[in-house]
Amino acid sequence: GAGVSQSPRYKVAKRGQDVALRCDPISGHVSLFWYQQALGQGPEFLTYFQNEAQLDKSGLPSDRFFAERPEGSVSTLKIQRTQQEDSAVYLCASSLYQAGATNTDTQYFGPGTRLTVL
Amino acid sequence: AQSVAQPEDQVNVAEGNPLTVKCTYSVSGNPYLFWYVQYPNRGLQFLLKYITGDNLVKGSYGFEAEFNKSQTSFHLKKPSALVSDSALYFCAVRVFVYNQGGKLIFGQGTELSVKP
Repeated sequence: GAGVSQSPRYKVAKRGQDVALRCDPISGHVSLFWYQQALGQGPEFLTYFQNEAQLDKSGLPSDRFFAERPEGSVSTLKIQRTQQEDSAVYLCASSLYQAGATNTDTQYFGPGTRLTVL
Repeated sequence: AQSVAQPEDQVNVAEGNPLTVKCTYSVSGNPYLFWYVQYPNRGLQFLLKYITGDNLVKGSYGFEAEFNKSQTSFHLKKPSALVSDSALYFCAVRVFVYNQGGKLIFGQGTELSVKP
């Protein structure tokens, strides 16, 4: 079946612009994660959704970052007033089950959106 | 704090030779460990995971990983490298907080280069 898809694949923004990044998870997947990958680094966690509920937003770097998943499927990561330090690849991942203390299912990643802020 | 270390930024191997990509971890409780591979301009592709049981885990594309609890390591291995294995490899540990999901903590990545 189809994997995780993300759009756009590339986004160039001028400093101060708002951007919206979209993630389509694998159909039926309950859990959805956003990660940020800076150049030459490993991905870093941003936020987590279980269906439409945002249960963990501890990784969001500032209040300029906002994520939503209103119907428990597609998710959007919005960055307001972009700064140069926001330049990175934004990765979305989904997994089948809700994440609990004993849950060990695999996160499947999309291709990412490369954001460049000029 | 939970963490993952990949001590080598780059590993160079000749095609046909065995390869090892190293990973060590620091977690409280049972470790749930993963390996992912990233090709240029692509997302992360899942290779394998260790949850419990046999210390030798077999995964996709002929890769395997050995879990060593005493050395807190989870090294990725392949008996015979292919040029097409050249990519960026990430080790990750899954972190659980009740009702807050199971985020992954990644290492810095290791660039594997396989030469013909």
